[in-house]
Amino acid sequence: AQTVTQSQPEMSVQEAETVTLSCTYDTSESDYYLFWYKQPPSRQMILVIRQEAYKQQNATENRFSVNFQKAAKSFSLKISDSQLGDAAMYFCACWDNNDMRFGAGTRLTVKP
Amino acid sequence: DADVTQTPRNRITKTGKRIMLECSQTKGHDRMYWYRQDPGLGLRLIYYSFDVKDINKGEISDGYSVSRQAQAKFSLSLESAIPNQTALYFCATSVAFGELFFGEGSRLTVL
Repeated sequence: AQTVTQSQPEMSVQEAETVTLSCTYDTSESDYYLFWYKQPPSRQMILVIRQEAYKQQNATENRFSVNFQKAAKSFSLKISDSQLGDAAMYFCACWDNNDMRFGAGTRLTVKP
Repeated sequence: DADVTQTPRNRITKTGKRIMLECSQTKGHDRMYWYRQDPGLGLRLIYYSFDVKDINKGEISDGYSVSRQAQAKFSLSLESAIPNQTALYFCATSVAFGELFFGEGSRLTVL
């Protein structure tokens, strides 16, 4: 089964600044998908961004973008112009072979 | 109304009690999942179902059972709850490839 590692339990960023959350994964499948989910204090899991492994172009969604390094099995999330509402737990996830595995999460604090 | 609804949202129970967490969805998805979230461990898969007649164990199924009553309903049961089953439980749905749609979570505390 695939594994997902988030090496940063906590991160902080100043409002309006940029922050990058790290994620590495390991899978033996050639067809897989990668995701970042956000969990605010409301505890709802919200999809931030997804990346299909077969696509070389990095996914972007407004202020959120990824750096997908397939050979290195790295999938980092960059948040630009950070806002107070970005404060949350962020989970990296890898889907392959009908199975979604999550990392342990990174808690992001945004300082005003 | 939420597309994926879980009940109860919060529950406190005692060791040895039987507990059922219920999930219903209006998204029309065939695939449904139960995950457990623990601090420092992320989300781990308990059971999943790809249709009414298909039930599969996930990573941590011991101590749990499920029932898929209809395409839209998927229940998780703890036959005899124990304190280390204290966690936040999520139901989710998906189409064939990847993206999960989550309910709002059910926080269970076993004393």
